[in-house]
Amino acid sequence: DAGVTQSPTHLIKTRGQQVTLRCSPKSGHDTVSWYQQALGQGPQFIFQYYEEEERQRGNFPDRFSGHQFPNYSSELNVNALLLGDSALYLCASGVSETQYFGPGTRLLVL
Amino acid sequence: QQQVKQSPQSLIVQKGGISIINCAYENTAFDYFPWYQQFPGKGPALLIAIRPDVSEKKEGRFTISFNKSAKQFSLHIMDSQPGDSATYFCAASLSGGYQKVTFGIGTKLQVIP
Repeated sequence: DAGVTQSPTHLIKTRGQQVTLRCSPKSGHDTVSWYQQALGQGPQFIFQYYEEEERQRGNFPDRFSGHQFPNYSSELNVNALLLGDSALYLCASGVSETQYFGPGTRLLVL
Repeated sequence: QQQVKQSPQSLIVQKGGISIINCAYENTAFDYFPWYQQFPGKGPALLIAIRPDVSEKKEGRFTISFNKSAKQFSLHIMDSQPGDSATYFCAASLSGGYQKVTFGIGTKLQVIP
């Protein structure tokens, strides 16, 4: 069982650019959640996808959007990148309340 | 709005000692309280979790104590080992389906030999 996988592992972008991060959930999981973890902070919930629809959303602007594919994998898109978007982006898949996290994608915005 | 408050933010414990991390929550609707362990360069991994109908849960060297009336819960790591050195997050969510997890700020634990 590969667990939750994410790509890429690291990414460097400049302000104003757009970025796409990818996630494959743990086998058997149909729900994917995305979190942003700033340095020295706990993860903050961005949104959750189930049945290819956004089911819940945290306090993040519309620049953050996502997608879930029929195979349950997911993408996180961030437009018009700001310096403050630099963080570790975590994907989690779950069964009920239990969430399993991937290793994350480290995004640096210069 | 910090719905889950965690302290201390850093902790140094000698090998063999007890590590104690405390958390408090505000939303009384929360009814699932997991703890996560995160090593550098890795995602958080579920360590142990508790529901409010239980006052204590123990798994190996890890124990959660829960005080529903005070809206507080804590993690105790007995016989702390250098391999326990990591960042620990308390968290809270609703149960009964796929719910977002609200995390505390984290506690960086260092266990020294």
